[in-house]
Amino acid sequence: SQQGEEDPQALSIQEGENATMNCSYKTSINNLQWYRQNSGRGLVHLILIRSNEREKHSGRLRVTLDTSKKSSSLLITASRAADTASYFCAQGGSEKLVFGKGMKLTVNP
Amino acid sequence: DAGITQSPRHKVTETGTPVTLRCHQTENHRYMYWYRQDPGHGLRLIHYSYGVKDTDKGEVSDGYSVSRSKTEDFLLTLESATSSQTSVYFCAIRKITGTSGTGELFFGEGSRLTVL
Repeated sequence: SQQGEEDPQALSIQEGENATMNCSYKTSINNLQWYRQNSGRGLVHLILIRSNEREKHSGRLRVTLDTSKKSSSLLITASRAADTASYFCAQGGSEKLVFGKGMKLTVNP
Repeated sequence: DAGITQSPRHKVTETGTPVTLRCHQTENHRYMYWYRQDPGHGLRLIHYSYGVKDTDKGEVSDGYSVSRSKTEDFLLTLESATSSQTSVYFCAIRKITGTSGTGELFFGEGSRLTVL
């Protein structure tokens, strides 16, 4: 399987804390993307980082990419209860995206 | 809203029956995808299409076929459903940004299929 892996598989934090999720992947990539999925809904794109980029920010999100280690991290700062969801990383090739197995984040109010 | 609708949203069927799931888009995007989502496996690609009548297999294509006769519709067919195909199926379209082909996916709301 080419699937990547998110780590940890589940994380529970308090509102206001930061949440860090890690992703490891196996093959060379054009880009690495992060998605969020609320319970019972489709996935929603959060952020994309290209293979020649090392860090990217979007609002409370910060993504890093280390192609030498084939890993990425997603940091959510000042978490809110509404951030409770599953988060997926996805390896972007020229035509397909390969998703990891996902990580469940619970933010307690 | 990327204008993606999946139908049916819920279906219960019996083993051995054929099932077709439909994905409809309103924005004329070239790439469309079918994924299945199962606990412990995340999302796995079944088939995808890169144009009318142009399709290719993903990592879990056995037991599934697809067709794309119009840009806006991408059909996923289970010729003879099995219990192992009980899953939530997601359709997605790809919006290409820039010249590198990099794009992000926009997903439908999913079709929950139960095969008894």
